Amino acid sequence: QKEVEQNSGPLSVPEGAIASLNCTYSDRGSQSFFWYRQYSGKSPELIMSIYSNGDKEDGRFTAQLNKASQYVSLLIRDSQPSDSATYLCASPGTSYGKLTFGQGTILTVHP
Amino acid sequence: SQTIHQWPATLVQPVGSPLSLECTVEGTSNPNLYWYRQAAGRGLQLLFYSIGIDQISSEVPQNLSASRPQDRQFILSSKKLLLSDSGFYLCAWSVGTLSGEQYFGPGTRLTVT
Repeated sequence: QKEVEQNSGPLSVPEGAIASLNCTYSDRGSQSFFWYRQYSGKSPELIMSIYSNGDKEDGRFTAQLNKASQYVSLLIRDSQPSDSATYLCASPGTSYGKLTFGQGTILTVHP
Repeated sequence: SQTIHQWPATLVQPVGSPLSLECTVEGTSNPNLYWYRQAAGRGLQLLFYSIGIDQISSEVPQNLSASRPQDRQFILSSKKLLLSDSGFYLCAWSVGTLSGEQYFGPGTRLTVT
């Protein structure tokens, strides 16, 4: 069964710290991975996409992909209270269709 | 730019009543469209996806159905709601393959009483 699993959290970090969110996947053929942010009561918002091994940086966000270890992570530098949300990892695997989403990690950034 | 609309934003319906949720996408042609449900405190469950008009695939057997009468319109329906149908219903779109980036609408929060 193809799965995407996230560290369950919740994760609490102080303002200004680095938040590290992790995701593992079971389908070795997965080629793309996505990170979504979901504020309480709102819909998920795509914040990062990563397709190849290594790091991809976008502002304070860095996505890291390690296909050999089947591991993808999201680092948030200089965390702000506004980053407090649930973060969802998703991947389509190799099946034609649908993203498989992890259960999400709740991040709280406290002042 | 592309935008996606869903309505209504919130809905309270009694058990056994019908349901119709609508989703429309603007600014793109021939999008792939998806319906998800997110129950309270739980992950996203894919209900239906569509690659074109009248081309709809169901992911889970249930009392819900979907239709796509126009290229950029996706409708989720039920003839008789169950208590277990309560949740946050999200429509999403993508272009290209079904495995690509998906963009979500604002959602409809349904409470079945």
